[in-house]
Amino acid sequence: ELKVEQNPLFLSMQEGKNYTIYCNYSTTSDRLYWYRQDPGKSLESLFVLLSNGAVKQEGRLMASLDTKARLSTLHITAAVHDLSATYFCAVDIGGNQFYFGTGTSLTVIP
Amino acid sequence: DTGVSQDPRHKITKRGQNVTFRCDPISEHNRLYWYRQTLGQGPEFLTYFQNEAQLEKSRLLSDRFSAERPKGSFSTLEIQRTEQGDSAMYLCASRPADRPWSEQYFGPGTRLTVT
Repeated sequence: ELKVEQNPLFLSMQEGKNYTIYCNYSTTSDRLYWYRQDPGKSLESLFVLLSNGAVKQEGRLMASLDTKARLSTLHITAAVHDLSATYFCAVDIGGNQFYFGTGTSLTVIP
Repeated sequence: DTGVSQDPRHKITKRGQNVTFRCDPISEHNRLYWYRQTLGQGPEFLTYFQNEAQLEKSRLLSDRFSAERPKGSFSTLEIQRTEQGDSAMYLCASRPADRPWSEQYFGPGTRLTVT
């Protein structure tokens, strides 16, 4: 069974600091997605990574994919309060379903 | 393009009752997915439709759960004889046929509480 693990599960960071969230998965895939979820809300797509070495950036967030290591990272640069949310990675196997990670709950404190 | 919509947004029911949820995907999307999310967890896959055909079902989808997409447009998810363990957020997502590698677009979800 495919496993998707994220770490850390909880992250409290100060505004202005940098940090990285890691997403490891247990089987071969070259499709990796990052989503954001605010409390009580649905999932908002952040990044779509479709090949080994893919890197995408949007604002203070940058995501990368290493398919050989089965690892994706979500890097946060100079965090601001508005980034507080839960972040999920998801792996697509065969186009039929997403396997989601456990999520990383991020709190940015002033 | 109004996005994926779900109805109702909230449902409170008593144990043993049946409930039905509706999902309207983005109009040009032929792929539709149902997920369940419990507090503090990531969404878990339940089932997947391509047009009206149900192509995959998770082991999580017990025989009390049934999903349909009769005309390849909206979908319904029915839970019979609800149990307290069914309390969760039920999420629907859709994806376009011509870009099967694209992200899944999620609806706002239906939060089910079984008392």
